[in-house]
Amino acid sequence: EAGVAQSPRYKIIEKRQSVAFWCNPISGHATLYWYQQILGQGPKLLIQFQNNGVVDDSQLPKDRFSAERLKGVDSTLKIQPAKLEDSAVYLCASSRFRGQGVRETQYFGPGTRLLVL
Amino acid sequence: KQEVTQIPAALSVPEGENLVLNCSFTDSAIYNLQWFRQDPGKGLTSLLLIQSSQREQTSGRLNASLDKSSGRSTLYIAASQPGDSATYLCAVSYGTSYDKVIFGPGTSLSVIP
Repeated sequence: EAGVAQSPRYKIIEKRQSVAFWCNPISGHATLYWYQQILGQGPKLLIQFQNNGVVDDSQLPKDRFSAERLKGVDSTLKIQPAKLEDSAVYLCASSRFRGQGVRETQYFGPGTRLLVL
Repeated sequence: KQEVTQIPAALSVPEGENLVLNCSFTDSAIYNLQWFRQDPGKGLTSLLLIQSSQREQTSGRLNASLDKSSGRSTLYIAASQPGDSATYLCAVSYGTSYDKVIFGPGTSLSVIP
């Protein structure tokens, strides 16, 4: 079974530029998560999708971050414009959905390391 | 506020030693608790998942315990090996209709040959 794929693996941009990250979850996984992990900290959930719909985006800085998951498969996370404090690793994870209240293990991709200069 | 903390932040031990990593959470109304491993430059790998109704889970040299009432979990690693060197993260799951996961900051483990 193929794992969660992410691209690019590394990205360096200047502040105020825009950047986009792509995630392809494990086949059949209905739930998709985007996390931000700042150096020395644990991952922080930015947005969670259930198929096409958003179930939690309470910690997504909506003035600059956006995410979409078309057709309930691949997802894209965008930052526009980027700030210095956005430098972090952006992790994508996916899990099966077996019904409300049922928790499944999350499988993580390798992450995209973003450096904003 | 739901928070997860882990101590120590870093740990260095000689090969072969048994060790314990600690995780604390402020809201005891958890659904489950999971321990992950993160190697440098890589994503997270799930090690053990403990449901809220369970007290412990074991996998090989790893044993995780859960005490909901005190808001604590421990990860016990027996006979540590250099290959165990990594960051270990504790993640607590909340929520009813969907999975709200909060991660701790992690413990960086170094096992010296």
